[in-house]
Amino acid sequence: GDSVTQMEGPVTLSEEAFLTINCTYTATGYPSLFWYVQYPGEGLQLLLKATKADDKGSNKGFEATYRKETTSFHLEKGSVQVSDSAVYFCALIGNTGGFKTIFGAGTRLFVKA
Amino acid sequence: NAGVTQTPKFQVLKTGQSMTLQCAQDMNHEYMSWYRQDPGMGLRLIHYSVGAGITDQGEVPNGYNVSRSTTEDFPLRLLSAAPSQTSVYFCASSPPTGYGYTFGSGTRLTVV
Repeated sequence: GDSVTQMEGPVTLSEEAFLTINCTYTATGYPSLFWYVQYPGEGLQLLLKATKADDKGSNKGFEATYRKETTSFHLEKGSVQVSDSAVYFCALIGNTGGFKTIFGAGTRLFVKA
Repeated sequence: NAGVTQTPKFQVLKTGQSMTLQCAQDMNHEYMSWYRQDPGMGLRLIHYSVGAGITDQGEVPNGYNVSRSTTEDFPLRLLSAAPSQTSVYFCASSPPTGYGYTFGSGTRLTVV
């Protein structure tokens, strides 16, 4: 079945450092791919998405490119801020019908001032 | 503000009690889902609905019931609460595939 694998956290960075959170997936065909962010005590928020190969999703300085050849959707940001501290979830919706979303386990990011 | 509203935000139950977690959305989304979030386990799908009158089971449905009589509402019922159901519960809705979910702010449930 479809699955999503994320790098284990926590990831701890200093402010203004470069961020990469790795995400790889297993799915047939061309799934839609998503990154969600969860701030403490809140629900998940959609951060960005990509629906076909080579698409780049971007929002709030975060980017991720849909790489079909490596089945990856890594999240990047050039300069993190303390306010980016949160848990980040990679997710997919398979294209075999329906709309069920498969989530990765989440990666916690801490950014130090 | 438009979105997904969950009530209550916090709840403590005794083992064996029943209760209903409420979820309502005002975006006319067809699809709605319930997830539970446990430490180290990410989000697990409990039940979902693709429209009024249509529901189906996710990966962890045991001990929970749902119904969808209207597009807006998707309540989750705990039939007989058990300590293993201590968790944070999230309701989410979406338009058709590809658009991503809008999540509610969650219900933190403790069963003692």
